[in-house]
Amino acid sequence: GNSVTQMEGPVTLSEEAFLTINCTYTATGYPSLFWYVQYPGEGLQLLLKATKADDKGSNKGFEATYRKETTSFHLEKGSVQVSDSAVYFCALSPNSGYSTLTFGKGTMLLVSP
Amino acid sequence: NAGVMQNPRHLVRRRGQEARLRCSPMKGHSHVYWYRQLPEEGLKFMVYLQKENIIDESGMPKERFSAEFPKEGPSILRIQQVVRGDSAAYFCASSPPTRGQDTQYFGPGTRLTVL
Repeated sequence: GNSVTQMEGPVTLSEEAFLTINCTYTATGYPSLFWYVQYPGEGLQLLLKATKADDKGSNKGFEATYRKETTSFHLEKGSVQVSDSAVYFCALSPNSGYSTLTFGKGTMLLVSP
Repeated sequence: NAGVMQNPRHLVRRRGQEARLRCSPMKGHSHVYWYRQLPEEGLKFMVYLQKENIIDESGMPKERFSAEFPKEGPSILRIQQVVRGDSAAYFCASSPPTRGQDTQYFGPGTRLTVL
């Protein structure tokens, strides 16, 4: 079956530090890959997505590249801000006619001033 | 352009009561998904509905849980005879009917607490 594995948190960084959150997946075929962000007490917001190998999704300074050879979709940001503190979820959609999402467990990011 | 709406945002029930969670998809969206988020866990798929049809309910517990998406009105997730283990955040997501459109847009969730 499909699965997503994320690095465990919390990830604690100082403002302006470089961020990497690792995500690897297991799926048959060619899934679409997503990063969602959840701020405290809120729902999930789509951060970025990639639909095929070597695609790079980007938004608000965050980037992730779809690597089929390593089945990975690591999230990166060059300089984090306090406002980036949230829980980040990696997810995949199997592209098999409809788009049920399989999520990782989430990684909490804490950014201090 | 309103996003996905869910109500109530918070719901408290005693063991044995019924919980009804409502979800209004984004305008123009005819696909609705329900997910459950247990504490310290990621989201788990429960059910996928289109108007008047359940397409995939493979993630729904076999007993006490049901979902519908009528021709008119919001989608409803119903939990009968709630137990403490049902305490969780329940999220609804919607997507448009366009073939190949796999981006889902999430509501703010309903946080259910069972006493």
